[in-house]
Amino acid sequence: QKEVEQDPGPLSVPEGAIVSLNCTYSNSAFQYFMWYRQYSRKGPELLMYTYSSGNKEDGRFTAQVDKSSKYISLFIRDSQPSDSATYLCATTGFQKLVFGTGTRLLVSP
Amino acid sequence: EAGVAQSPRYKIIEKRQSVAFWCNPISGHATLYWYQQILGQGPKLLIQFQNNGVVDDSQLPKDRFSAERLKGVDSTLKIQPAKLEDSAVYLCASSLLGRAIDTQYFGPGTRLTVL
Repeated sequence: QKEVEQDPGPLSVPEGAIVSLNCTYSNSAFQYFMWYRQYSRKGPELLMYTYSSGNKEDGRFTAQVDKSSKYISLFIRDSQPSDSATYLCATTGFQKLVFGTGTRLLVSP
Repeated sequence: EAGVAQSPRYKIIEKRQSVAFWCNPISGHATLYWYQQILGQGPKLLIQFQNNGVVDDSQLPKDRFSAERLKGVDSTLKIQPAKLEDSAVYLCASSLLGRAIDTQYFGPGTRLTVL
């Protein structure tokens, strides 16, 4: 079993849609949860970071963590074509980041 | 603030040849990481340096991969000899202190194709 599982997609939505991206993880020692965005032929960039269970909001983005079910979500409201990218969830207990496979999101105008 | 620099951006080699990648982290960042990202997968940590010391190289195939970070700044990752399965994007990242809460900043990567 992989430490972090993520549906690779692609996920295609029209502009303005609400997008839900999800990951599950297996190690209950994981404490920190991140979402990275990776545009084509670029390195990943940190989008959201959370420590505990609950929600964290930043503009159109909301990160949600449920430690009891080991479930991580990222919601994007009013999605834009510029949101088209691969979204990677990542988690860590101490120092080493463990990434999911990434979900490719396509937002059409 | 300049980001993480990597070179070359692209490299094509024959199997059994050797190749080297270079990374210059963000100024002042103590921690440097090398990741391997195979197409359709997330990045996998190969090696982590804290200044010029190795913190974690548990997933580095040491029979063919080597890395160094002289003077605690720039780093070089080498593959010798390369195999077909080494085709991937090699990402370098840096963070201020290497704590779990520290943001990792990634470079654009080097895309390696082994024929």
